[in-house]
Formats: sequence, C-alpha cells, structure tokens
Amino acid sequence: AQSVTQLGSHVSVSEGALVLLRCNYSSSVPPYLFWYVQYPNQGLQLLLKYTSAATLVKGINGFEAEFKKSETSFHLTKPSAHMSDAAEYFCAVSEGTSYDKVIFGPGTSLSVIP
Amino acid sequence: EAQVTQNPRYLITVTGKKLTVTCSQNMNHEYMSWYRQDPGLGLRQIYYSMNVEVTDKGDVPEGYKVSRKEKRNFPLILESPSPNQTSLYFCASQGAGNTIYFGEGSWLTVV
Repeated sequence: AQSVTQLGSHVSVSEGALVLLRCNYSSSVPPYLFWYVQYPNQGLQLLLKYTSAATLVKGINGFEAEFKKSETSFHLTKPSAHMSDAAEYFCAVSEGTSYDKVIFGPGTSLSVIP
Repeated sequence: EAQVTQNPRYLITVTGKKLTVTCSQNMNHEYMSWYRQDPGLGLRQIYYSMNVEVTDKGDVPEGYKVSRKEKRNFPLILESPSPNQTSLYFCASQGAGNTIYFGEGSWLTVV
C-alpha cells in the first residue's frame, strides 16, 4: 500500500529565499507522484506531477520537484519565494496506472516572511 | 474550462437534519470522489465512484452516503449529521494519469 509523509507541518521562509518542501513516499510499484497547492479558501490545484518520464519535473509558478527513487523522495523546490506562494502544499502518490486511488500527505503550510 | 462545481459552499446545520452536497463535473470523467479535509490529517477519501451506478467506500465512509445516477453528478448525503462531521469537504473528478480536479470546497458545520 502506498503512503506519503511530509516533513514539517509548517515551514517559514523569507521572501526571496529558497523554498524546500519535503515529501517521502512508499509504493510497491512505480508510482505517479503529485504536488497540489491550496490557497486560502480555495480548492486544491495541481502544481506538478511525475509519471515516470523525466525525473526533474517543472510545474507552475516556478516550482519544480525531483523524483529520487533511491531515496523514495519527491521534494518540492522554488529558488526564490514570493509572498503569493504562501499556501498549503500537499504531496500525493498513486500507483502508476490510471484511475488508481490517490493518497495524500498531511500537508505543509508555507509562510513567506517579507 | 474544466470544472468541478459543488454546492453549497458554506452550510451550518443542526445535528440529525439530513443534508445533501451536490457535485457536478464537465470533463466526462468516470472516476469521482469525495474527500474531507481536517487539520493535521490531510485529505481523506470518503467515497468514490468508478462509473455510473458503481460506488465504493473510501477510508472514512461512516455517516455518509453517495449516489451516481449520471456520469456528471456525484452528490454526498449526510442522513443524520453529527458534530464530528464538521469539516471541509471536496468533490473531485479524476482523469487520465490520475490527475485530480477539485471543487472549491464546502464548509460544513454541524451544531
């Protein structure tokens, strides 16, 4: 069975600093991996996803994530934080087949300090 | 535009009073789900549906019902709401590659 852990329920960074949100997964089969973002009072929207093509995945708003099989990780990064990046971020995993159940991590709340 | 629409967005109700949260998607997806979001617990799947007239329990189905009579609609029914069902609910539609499209959420308070 798949599972997801996100290290740090809350992360604070200064504006302009590197954003690093950690995600580790477990899966017995090659997974699909996702990052979703939830802005205040909104639903979740897809930031990026990995589906076994390139291991470095680029998403919207300057975010990217790297799939590292040996570390079972899929950490999310952005070189320079912007105030508008303040949101809740969820990592998720599913088996690498379509229409499989998607398992979400507990989320990491990102604060950006001016 | 791909959309998942759920209503109502905000609802306060009393214990035991039946309520329905509607959900509709315009992407012709077969797979739809309901999730609840609670602080520190992330999103937990309540029920899902693989197709019309096919529904199954997710991780936290107790106290909820669903139906799928049409492909686009997937309502969530709380027959007798209780305070522990106070939560933020999301309807979701899942497409190829397991990409999920979420509605904007329904804040439900049961007093």
